Amino acid sequence: AQSVTQLGSHVSVSEGALVLLRCNYSSSVPPYLFWYVQYPNQGLQLLLKYTTGATLVKGINGFEAEFKKSETSFHLTKPSAHMSDAAEYFCAVSDWTGRRALTFGSGTRLQVQP
Amino acid sequence: NAGVTQTPKFQVLKTGQSMTLQCAQDMNHNSMYWYRQDPGMGLRLIYYSASEGTTDKGEVPNGYNVSRLNKREFSLRLESAAPSQTSVYFCASSEGTGQPYEQYFGPGTRLTVT
Repeated sequence: AQSVTQLGSHVSVSEGALVLLRCNYSSSVPPYLFWYVQYPNQGLQLLLKYTTGATLVKGINGFEAEFKKSETSFHLTKPSAHMSDAAEYFCAVSDWTGRRALTFGSGTRLQVQP
Repeated sequence: NAGVTQTPKFQVLKTGQSMTLQCAQDMNHNSMYWYRQDPGMGLRLIYYSASEGTTDKGEVPNGYNVSRLNKREFSLRLESAAPSQTSVYFCASSEGTGQPYEQYFGPGTRLTVT
């Protein structure tokens, strides 16, 4: 079985500060990893994904994440937070049983202070 | 191109009532999914359909049934609603299950069972 742990249900940063959202996964096979963002009262939107190859993945809106197999981590970063980044962020791992459904972490709500 | 649409957006039911949540996608995707989102628990898979004509249980299927009506539509039915089914329900679709395809999410249905 696969699982995802997101450390910190709430993270608050100042506008212009570094954003770091933590994600650790558990998987018995090489994982496919995803970060999704959810703005208030909306569905989820893909930020970025890791499949194979380059371990540093760049996504939309200036976000990036680095796959570290030795640490079983896939942390999401952005050098400079913007007010519009305030949202909930979900890390997810792909299911390898054949259905490719996603197993989600519990989410991290990012607040950006002016 | 509307992507994934869900109806209704909001619903209030009394315990024991039944209802069907509708989902449709216009991206010619093969796979469709139903998730529920509860505070602090991320999204959990209820049912999925890998392709037209097939459905299978996810992590939390009890109390739900699904129908893959055709390639576009995937409905979720609550036969006898319970307060524990108060949640936000998301439908998603993807090209298929053989690769780590991106899942596209609908805007969600907020269901309250009293």
